[in-house]
Amino acid sequence: SYVLTQPPSVSVAPGQTARITCGGKNIGSKSVHWYHQKPGQAPILVVYDDNERPSGIPERFSGSNSGNTATLTISRVEAGDEADYYCQVWESDSDEVIFGGGTKLTVL
Amino acid sequence: DVQLLESGGGLVQPGGSLRLSCAASGFTFTRYAMSWVRQAPGKGLEWVSSMTGSGERTYYADSVKGRFTISRDTSKTTLFLQMNSLRADDTAVYYCAKDAIAVARNPWYFDYWGQGVLVTVSS
Repeated sequence: SYVLTQPPSVSVAPGQTARITCGGKNIGSKSVHWYHQKPGQAPILVVYDDNERPSGIPERFSGSNSGNTATLTISRVEAGDEADYYCQVWESDSDEVIFGGGTKLTVL
Repeated sequence: DVQLLESGGGLVQPGGSLRLSCAASGFTFTRYAMSWVRQAPGKGLEWVSSMTGSGERTYYADSVKGRFTISRDTSKTTLFLQMNSLRADDTAVYYCAKDAIAVARNPWYFDYWGQGVLVTVSS
């Protein structure tokens, strides 16, 4: 079945830009959605349809998707952004929701 | 406001059964697909099952196909997950999630999640 590959961890200093990748075969042809999850809490949608933000999500969160890689970009990173981040797609060939393995964002 | 409240978790022996419930409110239940997503301790998110808003289509992960059944009671706006033949690797927090897209033929992405309920499969 379809596989989404994320780096296990990304570290960034406050105020810098964090980029979290999500790799998948021809993922650019799919709509990619991103969630963050803090310990002990439910996931929260931060980007949908590659680059759209739900209401209440800061403009610092943005996304892109092309070829075999989708990317979540967090500008001007804050300590409160520290969380696990997951990408997700709907795979129509196998009728499955697919999640990436998750990336732990550490703010140094 | 949208609210999703899971219940029914607990400790069960391998081979046993458990039924999870998710009481939904704050939206038109029959217009949106609903899903179950689980997270094993210290692990990532794993999709389990979905049902379309119409109730006509259900979807299952291969890991639970034939053992788990998703269903709902529209009069009570409640989603269920019947889990049979439980195994140790089914141990996880189970989240109920609402799809963001109305009247869709399949789940798309999740705009609201419940707080989760813990299922522990152990002897």
